[in-house]
Amino acid sequence: DTAVSQTPKYLVTQMGNDKSIKCEQNLGHDTMYWYKQDSKKFLKIMFSYNNKELIINETVPNRFSPKSPDKAHLNLHINSLELGDSAVYFCASSSSWYFVVAETQYFGPGTRLLVL
Amino acid sequence: TQLLEQSPQFLSIQEGENLTVYCNSSSVFSSLQWYRQEPGEGPVLLVTVVTGGEVKKLKRLTFQFGDARKDSSLHITAAQPGDTGLYLCAGAPAGGTSYGKLTFGQGTILTVHP
Repeated sequence: DTAVSQTPKYLVTQMGNDKSIKCEQNLGHDTMYWYKQDSKKFLKIMFSYNNKELIINETVPNRFSPKSPDKAHLNLHINSLELGDSAVYFCASSSSWYFVVAETQYFGPGTRLLVL
Repeated sequence: TQLLEQSPQFLSIQEGENLTVYCNSSSVFSSLQWYRQEPGEGPVLLVTVVTGGEVKKLKRLTFQFGDARKDSSLHITAAQPGDTGLYLCAGAPAGGTSYGKLTFGQGTILTVHP
C-alpha cells in the first residue's frame, strides 16, 4: 500500500493553462504539505494543512490554490501556468503540525511539471 | 529566515571510499533531520537528531548534531553504489513550535561508482 500517492506523475502543458495535482495519504495523518523542488534540487515548502485547515502559506503566487476536501487529501490547483512553474511538486504528510522536535514527513513520489 | 547551507553540492567517489556531508547554519535548530532522495522518488527520512553533540549511527552512516545545534554532519563509511542519491538536511527552528515548517538545505548529490 502506498502511504502518500500523487497524480499525475508527469504533467506537460502549455503556458497559460490551468492544471491540478492530487495527493492522498493513507497514514491517518492530520497534516499535509505541498513542496516545490526546483531544477537545482532545492526543496521549499509552499503550503501546509492540518485537518483541512490552512496552517502555512508561504510567499507563493496566488495562481496556486491548495484545497483539502478532507484530512486524507490535499490538492493543488495552478492557474495560468508560467514557464517558471516547471518543477517537481511533492506532497507530504506528518502526524501533526504542532511540534518542537521535527516529526517524520512522508513524501509522495512527486509530480514532474513541465510548462512549455 | 533560517538558512541551511549544505556542502559539498556534488560528490563523486569510488566504491569503498569514505565521505562527509556538512550542513551549517547561523541559526539554532531544535532538531535536524537527514533525508535521502533517490531519482524519481520523494525524500525518505534517515534520522532525526535532537540533542547538541548527539551522534547517531545507522549501519555505515554516522550523523552528528553540533554542540550548539547549528550544524550537522553525515559521514558514510565504505560507500556503496546503493548509497547514490540526493542527501538533504532539514531543520526545525528552535524557540518554540515550528508549526510543521522545515528549512531544507540545498542538497548534496552523491554518486558512488562501482
